[in-house]
Amino acid sequence: EVQLLESGGGLVQPGGSLRLSCAASGFTFGDCAMNWVRQAPGKGLEWVSTISSSGGSTYYADSVKGRFTISRDNSKNTLYLQMNSLGAEDTAIYYCAKSPVSSSIATFDYWGQGSLATVSS
Amino acid sequence: QSALTQPRSVSGSPGQSVTISCTGTSSDVGGYNHVSWYQQHPGKAPKLMIYDVSKRPSGVPDRFSGSKSGNTASLTVAGLQAEDEADYYCCSYAGRDTFGVFGTGTKVTVL
Repeated sequence: EVQLLESGGGLVQPGGSLRLSCAASGFTFGDCAMNWVRQAPGKGLEWVSTISSSGGSTYYADSVKGRFTISRDNSKNTLYLQMNSLGAEDTAIYYCAKSPVSSSIATFDYWGQGSLATVSS
Repeated sequence: QSALTQPRSVSGSPGQSVTISCTGTSSDVGGYNHVSWYQQHPGKAPKLMIYDVSKRPSGVPDRFSGSKSGNTASLTVAGLQAEDEADYYCCSYAGRDTFGVFGTGTKVTVL
């Protein structure tokens, strides 16, 4: 059974940093691209970032480019999102999502339960 | 990159069919066959319902189907059931620079 378990969320002041983690199990982690998708309270889904299976390629939404860094440790089956220079607009539930092994791009076939990051003074 | 455009809400009676549209541009929906659809119940994580325009993951009922014409993709839910009441989001690949863009979301109500 595929499981994705996010952690690291919490309350942070504007301008601060948070590091989210996503522990994966139930599939061959190193074979799959991985993603972060967020959802502000009461709002829709927003794609945030994607990393290739090897970690050699990364992609970011314009809204987080230069502030967020996605990374992965395939030996630990863990995905990360380092978030710096946080603002109120970054307050959201952050979902970790895996992509299928197939050639389908920007497809998210399994999701974690999410980690809430709140940016407030 | 702007969000793809979806109707805010659609509704239907049990047993009826509803169709949700997802309108983008030639740079996203119209340019690639990588459109997916997600169902989200309140307080829950999204669930993949359709990928690559019209493919259904195992376990998703065949009442759910997807299609695309030009810059608009569609999700049809046939034989509406009470458990289909949820928010639905489309998503499209939008090229190496933008990568992924979601739709604005549609609330489906079963009357």
